[in-house]
Amino acid sequence: GAVVSQHPSWVICKSGTSVKIECRSLDFQATTMFWYRQFPKQSLMLMATSNEGSKATYEQGVEKDKFLINHASLTLSTLTVTSAHPEDSSFYICSAREGQSQPQHFGDGTRLSIL
Amino acid sequence: GESVGLHLPTLSVQEGDNSIINCAYSNSASDYFIWYKQESGKGPQFIIDIRSNMDKRQGQRVTVLLNKTVKHLSLQIAATQPGDSAVYFCAERWEGGYQKVTFGTGTKLQVIP
Repeated sequence: GAVVSQHPSWVICKSGTSVKIECRSLDFQATTMFWYRQFPKQSLMLMATSNEGSKATYEQGVEKDKFLINHASLTLSTLTVTSAHPEDSSFYICSAREGQSQPQHFGDGTRLSIL
Repeated sequence: GESVGLHLPTLSVQEGDNSIINCAYSNSASDYFIWYKQESGKGPQFIIDIRSNMDKRQGQRVTVLLNKTVKHLSLQIAATQPGDSAVYFCAERWEGGYQKVTFGTGTKLQVIP
């Protein structure tokens, strides 16, 4: 089946640093990738949608200058949390799909802890 | 805005019993619905889906029912096992939303051995 891999699975860093999370589709070409954020005991909230080679579309309330998304190839998207602060600590999950009517496949998430 | 919601945050069932998890959605334009299972520290795992032109779909030990009249979705798990313990999310997708998946609030299923 379709596999989406995220790296790292867990990261701890100091406040003020920037953190990059990678999302890869391992056995299919992902024309569209999605980034979600999930706080403890809450649902997944969509942050942004990115199409390969285009600028990401951010959901309302998500700061595009803080959460930089790059989708430069059909198998890789990155999310960079810039100048991270403790309130950015969360579980970040990416998702990818091959085509517009294809199902979304999810990665296993990245636990981000900002001290 | 449009949202997908759940009535019960936690459901406890005895091992071997059937489980029913409910979900209410508000976007009548949604044309595709999915149930996901999320175990602690992991991403959502696809369980079963259903399109809006259907009202029932069965998988292995799972059945999804869709009632478009009242905008209600349910997931039935037969003979619930300890390995079914997880958080279950319903999700919707609609053409106008660039076919992105929007999640409901989730129900935690606890299976009592």
